[in-house]
Amino acid sequence: KAGVTQTPRYLIKTRGQQVTLSCSPISGHRSVSWYQQTPGQGLQFLFEYFSETQRNKGNFPGRFSGRQFSNSRSEMNVSTLELGDSALYLCASSRGGQFDEQYFGPGTRLTVT
Amino acid sequence: AQKITQTQPGMFVQEKEAVTLDCTYDTSDQSYGLFWYKQPSSGEMIFLIYQGSYDEQNATEGRYSLNFQKARKSANLVISASQLGDSAMYFCAMREGHTMNSGGGADGLTFGKGTHLIIQP
Repeated sequence: KAGVTQTPRYLIKTRGQQVTLSCSPISGHRSVSWYQQTPGQGLQFLFEYFSETQRNKGNFPGRFSGRQFSNSRSEMNVSTLELGDSALYLCASSRGGQFDEQYFGPGTRLTVT
Repeated sequence: AQKITQTQPGMFVQEKEAVTLDCTYDTSDQSYGLFWYKQPSSGEMIFLIYQGSYDEQNATEGRYSLNFQKARKSANLVISASQLGDSAMYFCAMREGHTMNSGGGADGLTFGKGTHLIIQP
């Protein structure tokens, strides 16, 4: 079974631009969660999508948004990029049960200059 | 207050020794799940083991076991017979399950700051 895939793996953007990251979950998984990892703040939960609906949301500004498609693939968008948005963005998929283990993708390394 | 506390920023362990990585958590929920993940230098998070708050037995997965002490709110990871390939960052995480009165569902995973484990030959 193929694992979680994320594209692109690396991205360099300029302050003020917007960016879209993509995540394809493990086949059969209906939940996709997004996390931001930085050296200073560690791993922080962004949001979770289940059956095309946002089920949970972390404490991030509205510049961070996402969506999920009918095939469970998910995209995350960050508008008006700031230098502080430089991070590793990790996507995780699960079957969708409350305490099902989440399987992570390799991440997208975003650098904002 | 931090919900997940990992007090060991770094650890050096001799190959083949057992190692215990500490994790304490804070929640008022009765229903919650505890997870351990490994993150090698490549960056990918690898799921290791899960313990549910209502599980009476400590979870085990191969060389990994979880020492779950509910009253102390601790969920330490034990790696037996450590190997060079175990060198990585290790994260403890929790997912809280809220009651239906508070809206139901569960938040995302809350992670600790991690422990950098280095296995020495």
